[in-house]
Amino acid sequence: AQSVAQPEDQVNVAEGNPLTVKCTYSVSGNPYLFWYVQYPNRGLQFLLKYITGDNLVKGSYGFEAEFNKSQTSFHLKKPSALVSDSALYFCAVRDILGSNYQLIWGAGTKLIIKP
Amino acid sequence: SQTIHQWPATLVQPVGSPLSLECTVEGTSNPNLYWYRQAAGRGLQLLFYSVGIGQISSEVPQNLSASRPQDRQFILSSKKLLLSDSGFYLCAWGTGNYNSPLHFGNGTRLTVT
Repeated sequence: AQSVAQPEDQVNVAEGNPLTVKCTYSVSGNPYLFWYVQYPNRGLQFLLKYITGDNLVKGSYGFEAEFNKSQTSFHLKKPSALVSDSALYFCAVRDILGSNYQLIWGAGTKLIIKP
Repeated sequence: SQTIHQWPATLVQPVGSPLSLECTVEGTSNPNLYWYRQAAGRGLQLLFYSVGIGQISSEVPQNLSASRPQDRQFILSSKKLLLSDSGFYLCAWGTGNYNSPLHFGNGTRLTVT
């Protein structure tokens, strides 16, 4: 069955330090992977996606994510965290061989950046 | 460029009252449209999606219904709200391509009292 896991309910990072938000997935075929960010009382904003090609993809606001096929992971990273990065982050996947177009969502990880 | 509008931003309704939330998309044609609910500020639950006018698929049986009277308009309704209908409702649109992300509105915070 298709699934996405975000193993950390919350991640705390000091401002200026690197951050990682973890995501692992399970699909029957090859995945299309997405990261979104949600600020309080707002909709989700698309950050970046992996479709094919280079395993390191760059996105909005200085975020990047690394696709690792052997570990079935797609961790979100940023070299230097800002307080304004504090938000809820969602990982999502589509199986390109699946008949269901729908996105499978992780449960979300709350990122807190402390000054 | 494409934009998505969702209103109202907040809504407080008594139990048993009707509901109508509206979502419209601009700058694209024949989008896939979605209604999600987010409870307790976390996980997303897909409620309905539509691939065309009058075509509605329900993911979860519940007290809610959806309609798509026009290509870029998606409406979420209820005849009688329950306390459990409280939550954050998000509308989204997509192109229908597997490699394309969904784009979300700013959501409606519904509180049923």
